[in-house]
Amino acid sequence: AQKVTQAQTEISVVEKEDVTLDCVYETRDTTYYLFWYKQPPSGELVFLIRRNSFDEQNEISGRYSWNFQKSTSSFNFTITASQVVDSAVYFCALSRIKAAGNKLTFGGGTRVLVKP
Amino acid sequence: NAGVTQTPKFRVLKTGQSMTLLCAQDMNHEYMYWYRQDPGMGLRLIHYSVGEGTTAKGEVPDGYNVSRLKKQNFLLGLESAAPSQTSVYFCASSSRGPSSYEQYFGPGTRLTVT
Repeated sequence: AQKVTQAQTEISVVEKEDVTLDCVYETRDTTYYLFWYKQPPSGELVFLIRRNSFDEQNEISGRYSWNFQKSTSSFNFTITASQVVDSAVYFCALSRIKAAGNKLTFGGGTRVLVKP
Repeated sequence: NAGVTQTPKFRVLKTGQSMTLLCAQDMNHEYMYWYRQDPGMGLRLIHYSVGEGTTAKGEVPDGYNVSRLKKQNFLLGLESAAPSQTSVYFCASSSRGPSSYEQYFGPGTRLTVT
């Protein structure tokens, strides 16, 4: 069985501070996908990134960066110089690669509140 | 393109009532999914379908039924609603093949069972 744990339920920061969201996962598969989604107050789910398990290169996209460490089964997400618009719930998720229907297993989510 | 749409957006039911949630996608996707979102638990898969006429159980299927009579539609039914089914329901779809990992989500349906 697969499991994703986001230990931080809520993080509050002041604008321009950096914030790191932790994600730890469990899977018996040797190959898999990892994802981050953003859910703003409006409620929709916004895809942020997908990472293959065989690619441990860190990735940066603007103010967002991701640190994937297979050795510790972690896929952490950092927002640099946070802004009020970053206030949202962020979900980490995992899926198998070779499975009929790529079902996602989500973590419980981390609510980020960025105060002006 | 509308993408993934869900009907209705909000609904209030009394215990024991039944209802059907409709999910429609216009991207010709093979795979479709129903998730429920509860506070602190993220999204959990209820049922999914890998093609027209096929359905399968997910992580939390009890109390729900689904049908996929047409490729573009995926229906989620509650035969006898219970307060424990109060949740936000999300439908998603994805293609088959190299891009199947990318799921497109609908806007969600907020259901309250009193």
